[in-house]
Amino acid sequence: IAGITQAPTSQILAAGRRMTLRCTQDMRHNAMYWYRQDLGLGLRLIHYSNTAGTTGKGEVPDGYSVSRANTDDFPLTLASAVPSQTSVYFCASSDSFGRGYNEQFFGPGTRLTVL
Amino acid sequence: EDQVTQSPEALRLQEGESSSLNCSYTVSGLRGLFWYRQDPGKGPEFLFTLYSAGEEKEKERLKATLTKKESFLHITAPKPEDSATYLCAVGYNAGNMLTFGGGTRLMVKP
Repeated sequence: IAGITQAPTSQILAAGRRMTLRCTQDMRHNAMYWYRQDLGLGLRLIHYSNTAGTTGKGEVPDGYSVSRANTDDFPLTLASAVPSQTSVYFCASSDSFGRGYNEQFFGPGTRLTVL
Repeated sequence: EDQVTQSPEALRLQEGESSSLNCSYTVSGLRGLFWYRQDPGKGPEFLFTLYSAGEEKEKERLKATLTKKESFLHITAPKPEDSATYLCAVGYNAGNMLTFGGGTRLMVKP
């Protein structure tokens, strides 16, 4: 069981370039999330999707877009990368049906450097 | 303003020296408090969920407790392999989103 996979593991990108970070889960979770983690700022939610076909904005959505064409995949796109988007990006998923909040499970992360 | 604050930011312990990590929150309509462990270069790993004040969960040397204002992660007789950053997060009101605290970096010396 792989859980959540993310690709690439790391990437160095020139400013202004377009980049898509990939995320795939095999747990059939209905909800998926993208976070960025920066030193001193912790984990911050970028975008989320409660179910295939729907997406929503998190705390720091500017400069990012997402799509959710099916249950398993949730790609994050940087249309025109800027240095402030240098960060570690984590994808997560959860089964949002049931009692209260259900725990989110995280992927291994993508380390992105924008020069 | 809804907030999640963890303390201390860093904690150094000797092997076997028990201690507690704190997570205080000021959110309305708490719907769950979550503890995660994160090792360097890896994604957060789920540990516990607590839903209501008075609830406790245990796993090996870790025990999580919850009150109406804060949660504690108690570490009993820690070992070097318990060294990691411990994150807490809260879910509140509608939706499935979580707000994370800044984490406590735990270092256990042999």
